[in-house]
Amino acid sequence: AQSVTQPDIHITVSEGASLELRCNYSYGATPYLFWYVQSPGQGLQLLLKYFSGDTLVQGIKGFEAEFKRSQSSFNLRKPSVHWSDAAEYFCAVGPRNNAGNMLTFGGGTRLMVKP
Amino acid sequence: KAGVTQTPRYLIKTRGQQVTLSCSPISGHRSVSWYQQTPGQGLQFLFEYFSETQRNKGNFPGRFSGRQFSNSRSEMNVSTLELGDSALYLCASSFRDRGLGANVLTFGAGSRLTVL
Repeated sequence: AQSVTQPDIHITVSEGASLELRCNYSYGATPYLFWYVQSPGQGLQLLLKYFSGDTLVQGIKGFEAEFKRSQSSFNLRKPSVHWSDAAEYFCAVGPRNNAGNMLTFGGGTRLMVKP
Repeated sequence: KAGVTQTPRYLIKTRGQQVTLSCSPISGHRSVSWYQQTPGQGLQFLFEYFSETQRNKGNFPGRFSGRQFSNSRSEMNVSTLELGDSALYLCASSFRDRGLGANVLTFGAGSRLTVL
């Protein structure tokens, strides 16, 4: 069965510092990969997605993620964090076939930003 | 373009009652999925509807049900509520990006259910 692991439950970084959120997945084949962000009391907003091609993908708000097949990882990065980036971040995997939209999510990483 | 709209945003029920949550997808999106989010279990897939048919179902008891109407709007129902059903219920609609050959989900803000 597929699974997604986000090893860091909480991360605190200083504003302006770089950020890397880790995501590892277990899946039968290379899945579709996603990063979502959730602000308090809100739904999930898509940051970026990987379907195929270039393994370094750019997303919104200055985020990027790199797919590493050999490590089954899809880590999220940002070179300089802003206070407004404080939120919870979720990595997710989805099936490549046209069988639907059943995403499997990681447990999330809560990001706190120090001024 | 309006986003995914979920109603109600907040509701409080007591054990044993039932609840119906509504989701209006983005115009043109034919697939609607539902997820439950709790602090203990995280985000879990409930079910997905496409063209009024349930296409996938997660591992939830039969008390959880849903349906989709011809206009793609969807409802989910939870009967005989239990304390553990307290959660944020998220709806997502999607379109199939034919160029990418993949589906892209857009989530609503959720309906927060509290069971007392």
